[in-house]
Amino acid sequence: QKEVEQNSGPLSVPEGAIASLNCTYSDRGSQSFFWYRQYSGKSPELIMFIYSNGDKEDGRFTAQLNKASQYVSLLIRDSQPSDSATYLCAGLSGNTPLVFGKGTRLSVIA
Amino acid sequence: DTEVTQTPKHLVMGMTNKKSLKCEQHMGHRAMYWYKQKAKKPPELMFVYSYEKLSINESVPSRFSPECPNSSLLNLHLHALQPEDSALYLCASSHEAGTGIYGYTFGSGTRLTVV
Repeated sequence: QKEVEQNSGPLSVPEGAIASLNCTYSDRGSQSFFWYRQYSGKSPELIMFIYSNGDKEDGRFTAQLNKASQYVSLLIRDSQPSDSATYLCAGLSGNTPLVFGKGTRLSVIA
Repeated sequence: DTEVTQTPKHLVMGMTNKKSLKCEQHMGHRAMYWYKQKAKKPPELMFVYSYEKLSINESVPSRFSPECPNSSLLNLHLHALQPEDSALYLCASSHEAGTGIYGYTFGSGTRLTVV
């Protein structure tokens, strides 16, 4: 069974701090990983994807992938109250559909 | 055009009604998906269409019937639903089914309430 595990939170950080969201996966054949942000009552929005070991930065967001440890993370620098949402980690392997983790609820406190 | 459009945004239906959810994309994607999402849960895969053919049905009850009339459109026909089917129904698309690095693009969803 291919699984993606996330801590459901809530993760609370003060405004301006770095939020660190983590995800582990069971399928070593997984090739690509995605971070989706989902506001309450809205649909998931893709904010980052990563498929190579190491870091990938886009503005305030940095995705990190460590295939040896089967670990994916998302760092949000200078967190803002508008970043408060549920963050879904998802993995893609071969021809199987995207596998989602349960999501981590992030709360940024002003 | 980088959007997946879903209609209607909200739907209330009785248990004896028949209704349809619609999804449209013009990104040239060849895979389309239906997901169901309950509150505080991740999206749950229902169906996958690849090149307009149903490739995955995740043991979904027959009261949900998908249809892919062409490469841009995906419908979900609903009949004799139960109150527990109330959820956010999400349509998504991707370049190809399961491959690639670009992930899925989601529509804004249809909030379905069965009364």
